[in-house]
Amino acid sequence: TQLLEQSPQFLSIQEGENLTVYCNSSSVFSSLQWYRQEPGEGPVLLVTVVTGGEVKKLKRLTFQFGDARKDSSLHITAAQPGDTGLYLCAGAQFQGAQKLVFGQGTRLTINP
Amino acid sequence: DADVTQTPRNRITKTGKRIMLECSQTKGHDRMYWYRQDPGLGLRLIYYSFDVKDINKGEISDGYSVSRQAQAKFSLSLESAIPNQTALYFCATSLTGSNTEAFFGQGTRLTVV
Repeated sequence: TQLLEQSPQFLSIQEGENLTVYCNSSSVFSSLQWYRQEPGEGPVLLVTVVTGGEVKKLKRLTFQFGDARKDSSLHITAAQPGDTGLYLCAGAQFQGAQKLVFGQGTRLTINP
Repeated sequence: DADVTQTPRNRITKTGKRIMLECSQTKGHDRMYWYRQDPGLGLRLIYYSFDVKDINKGEISDGYSVSRQAQAKFSLSLESAIPNQTALYFCATSLTGSNTEAFFGQGTRLTVV
């Protein structure tokens, strides 16, 4: 059973469209992070959200942490081919050691 | 130069062989991790270490062992490789008190035949 469920797992859209990726859990996290991974590379951190309800923007990407700190979303406005990649959410658990738990990822393809 | 370096980048090995994957970092971070990535499963934690004398099992440690030789070095061993250990392996680092923000190496693609 995946502690963090991402949806959709695959998404293919045209350049210029908007999209939202979701990351859901029944657990509460002290922080939640989004990573982007390109083929042949390791994941690269995009953003960390810490406070319930927090919204962070990174150019055309908007990240939101749920009020209860159990879920998060990533919204991309006017997607571009350069946004293509695997997007991973990861939550840091409160209990015990601060380990990261990863979702299974969303593979995003933006077609020109 | 990469802050987190993994060697080798690619490896093909035979069933039953012992293999070691190495990771070194120049970020000065105290925490190091080994993850395994399989399609559709995201990243799963194998082992983690919060300092040189601290080693902890992750969710899928069976069949693996680790050694933290120094703050900057963390190696992963497969004592007797089996085909279902074929995967992409990532080393990562983080700094205590940093919201566990992780910095990853470029990965090692391991194939066990």
